[in-house]
Amino acid sequence: EDQVTQSPEALRLQEGESSSLNCSYTVSGLRGLFWYRQDPGKGPEFLFTLYSAGEEKEKERLKATLTKKESFLHITAPKPEDSATYLCAVQAVNDYKLSFGAGTTVTVRA
Amino acid sequence: EPEVTQTPSHQVTQMGQEVILRCVPISNHLYFYWYRQILGQKVEFLVSFYNNEISEKSEIFDDQFSVERPDGSNFTLKIRSTKLEDSAMYFCASREGQQNTEAFFGQGTRLTVV
Repeated sequence: EDQVTQSPEALRLQEGESSSLNCSYTVSGLRGLFWYRQDPGKGPEFLFTLYSAGEEKEKERLKATLTKKESFLHITAPKPEDSATYLCAVQAVNDYKLSFGAGTTVTVRA
Repeated sequence: EPEVTQTPSHQVTQMGQEVILRCVPISNHLYFYWYRQILGQKVEFLVSFYNNEISEKSEIFDDQFSVERPDGSNFTLKIRSTKLEDSAMYFCASREGQQNTEAFFGQGTRLTVV
């Protein structure tokens, strides 16, 4: 069974204080690893897809990286509007579904 | 920008009643999904649908649940006899393909069973 573990559960940052979120995964052949942002009461909003170890993707203050066992989401110089829950999900080969982690809730104080 | 649309945004129902949650996926997408998120818990997969049939389903998706694509645009989730534990946010998602494509989620339907 696919397993996705995210850490920490919660992260409180000062505006401008860079940090990283971790997503460890166990899957029988990785088709893709996905990062989503979720605001309270809303649906997950797509951020990145990573397909192979060593791959990196960037969008504004966010950068996602992938190894064979984990992925990191780096937040550089965060702003209050980056406050959200960040979800990691994996899709296995020959599989249709995404398996989600529990998320990391990031709070950025001005 | 194309988006997945879900209605209603909030549904309150009596235990034992049937509910239908509706979704309009992105128009050129071929794969459709339902997920749910119980308050404070992780997003859980329910079912995937492709080529007018279920391609994969979880243990949660028992005989109480069914999905349908009644026309070219709508995708529905029916819960036949709701239980208190069915209270959750239900998200519809769609993808253009099974691989190398991202899944786009709707804003969800909050189902409250009383």
